[in-house]
Amino acid sequence: DTAVSQTPKYLVTQMGNDKSIKCEQNLGHDTMYWYKQDSKKFLKIMFSYNNKELIINETVPNRFSPKSPDKAHLNLHINSLELGDSAVYFCASSHQGEQYFGPGTRLTVT
Amino acid sequence: AQSVTQPDIHITVSEGASLELRCNYSYGATPYLFWYVQSPGQGLQLLLKYFSGDTLVQGIKGFEAEFKRSQSSFNLRKPSVHWSDAAEYFCAVGALYGQNFVFGPGTRLSVLP
Repeated sequence: DTAVSQTPKYLVTQMGNDKSIKCEQNLGHDTMYWYKQDSKKFLKIMFSYNNKELIINETVPNRFSPKSPDKAHLNLHINSLELGDSAVYFCASSHQGEQYFGPGTRLTVT
Repeated sequence: AQSVTQPDIHITVSEGASLELRCNYSYGATPYLFWYVQSPGQGLQLLLKYFSGDTLVQGIKGFEAEFKRSQSSFNLRKPSVHWSDAAEYFCAVGALYGQNFVFGPGTRLSVLP
């Protein structure tokens, strides 16, 4: 019944590793997003994506890449992880302006 | 570019007291406005939204917000706060297709017994 789901919920890894976070939505929405929430709780959009267009926030390093195998999934790949990547990452989907958020993935880079 | 400010970083109220959380926005067109709540360790839950029409909108958990175009504000209110309302509250502004969805920095609400 979960509308937007993410896996894993927690991810601990070492610097330099490559990792992925998966996101799935069963709402039939056309647009999906990735957000980063830093230690000060500030939320910032990283990507928005629909079946036609990827919009990248220009401040996001190119080590981050979204991959969408189909309309219901938007995964986040991160290469060469750095300490500063530690944060909570939220996936979301939207319909007519309203966003629905997943539970978040807490990434810790050691 | 659109932006959202929440002037209060942290607010503490006593249980049963009234609450008002402030939100001001900057947006080039008619905004879509939202309030989300995030409990500790949890995701974001939509409290209410304003797209058009009546400027006083009702949400879940007894919250309401009023859109004031002249003041570029969308303040969140609750007449009587419950201990379970302690959380982080985010105001956000967006558009119909969401690419320009912007969150405010959040206001942390603490509730005293």
